[in-house]
Amino acid sequence: ETGVTQSPTHLIKTRGQQVTLRCSSQSGHNTVSWYQQALGQGPQFIFQYYREEENGRGNFPPRFSGLQFPNYSSELNVNALELDDSALYLCASSKETGGTYNEQFFGPGTRLTVL
Amino acid sequence: AQSVTQLGSHVSVSEGALVLLRCNYSSSVPPYLFWYVQYPNQGLQLLLKYTSAATLVKGINGFEAEFKKSETSFHLTKPSAHMSDAAEYFCAVSDRGYQKVTFGIGTKLQVIP
Repeated sequence: ETGVTQSPTHLIKTRGQQVTLRCSSQSGHNTVSWYQQALGQGPQFIFQYYREEENGRGNFPPRFSGLQFPNYSSELNVNALELDDSALYLCASSKETGGTYNEQFFGPGTRLTVL
Repeated sequence: AQSVTQLGSHVSVSEGALVLLRCNYSSSVPPYLFWYVQYPNQGLQLLLKYTSAATLVKGINGFEAEFKKSETSFHLTKPSAHMSDAAEYFCAVSDRGYQKVTFGIGTKLQVIP
């Protein structure tokens, strides 16, 4: 069983640019969540996608957007990059069956540096 | 609103000593509570979770945590620290939904030989 994978591992961008980060969910999982982990902080919830629809969002501006594809892979897009967007971006997948807790499995993350 | 507070951003213990990492939570509804571990340059791994069953929860690698509603606490313990336990530990809370998991700022555990 393949775990959650993310690409790229590291990325360097300049302020104002746009970036796309990718996540491949664990096999059989239909839900993906994205988190931002700034240096020295805990992960912060950005949003979650379930069956290709956004299913909850944290306190992040609209320039953070996402997509989930029919094969349940996912993208996180960030427009107009700011220096404070430098962080480790984590995705987590789970299989939601409704009504009960379903464990989220995390990928290794993408380290984004904005110069 | 839900939140967690982890007391102590850095904790040092001797190898073989008791590990105690503290977490207090705030939630307007009965919560789900979690402890995750993160090794350098890796993602998060679930150590254990509380989802309203037994209040004493046993996890992987010999860790356990006790849910105490009266104290709004969910402290993580391990009787005897190993060198391999050196990592960063995150307490997290969810309002019984999976839409949003709120993490604490983390506690870095150092194990001294």
